[in-house]
Amino acid sequence: DAGVIQSPRHEVTEMGQEVTLRCKPISGHDYLFWYRQTMMRGLELLIYFNNNVPIDDSGMPEDRFSAKMPNASFSTLKIQPSEPRDSAVYFCAGSSASSYNEQFFGPGTRLTVL
Amino acid sequence: KNEVEQSPQNLTAQEGEFITINCSYSVGISALHWLQQHPGGGIVSLFMLSSGKKKHGRLIATINIQEKHSSLHITASHPRDSAVYICAVSGGSQGNLIFGKGTKLSVKP
Repeated sequence: DAGVIQSPRHEVTEMGQEVTLRCKPISGHDYLFWYRQTMMRGLELLIYFNNNVPIDDSGMPEDRFSAKMPNASFSTLKIQPSEPRDSAVYFCAGSSASSYNEQFFGPGTRLTVL
Repeated sequence: KNEVEQSPQNLTAQEGEFITINCSYSVGISALHWLQQHPGGGIVSLFMLSSGKKKHGRLIATINIQEKHSSLHITASHPRDSAVYICAVSGGSQGNLIFGKGTKLSVKP
């Protein structure tokens, strides 16, 4: 298995533009998590899905952020419009059976909003 | 909400030294995770434990549920161990990971 795949790996955009981050989890992982990492706040949960259904989105900063999981093998995190304070590394992770199991992280997407 | 505290924040060691990183949390959990993040940014799960001790190569993780405390030990440290080590806990109604701020380890040759 190729592991968790995220794209793009790096994204540089201008303030106000729409940004879409993509994640392909490991086959069979029924939980998918989106995390954000910044120097100031460290790693934080944004949202997580179970069997493609959003379970907890309380970490999503504001309405500019949205996430979808149309099927078991694909999820997107969209920011519209983007702002400089959204600059961070965004990680996708998956786990199987329960959210208490070991989580497998993707390589992350480094987002820079100018 | 669970608070996860790690110490030290930064740690510099000489190659071969025994290293200990500590993690404490405030609320009961179902599992505690130790993660490693290398300078390139990738995050790897080292251990997930809910009681006792686990060992993998030169790494040992222990947890004391009553004291709400865990330690990560590295024996015979090596420069390639240089990374950020992150403690995270899961449990309760949220079912997601809550992270400590990480410990940046630098092992000098």
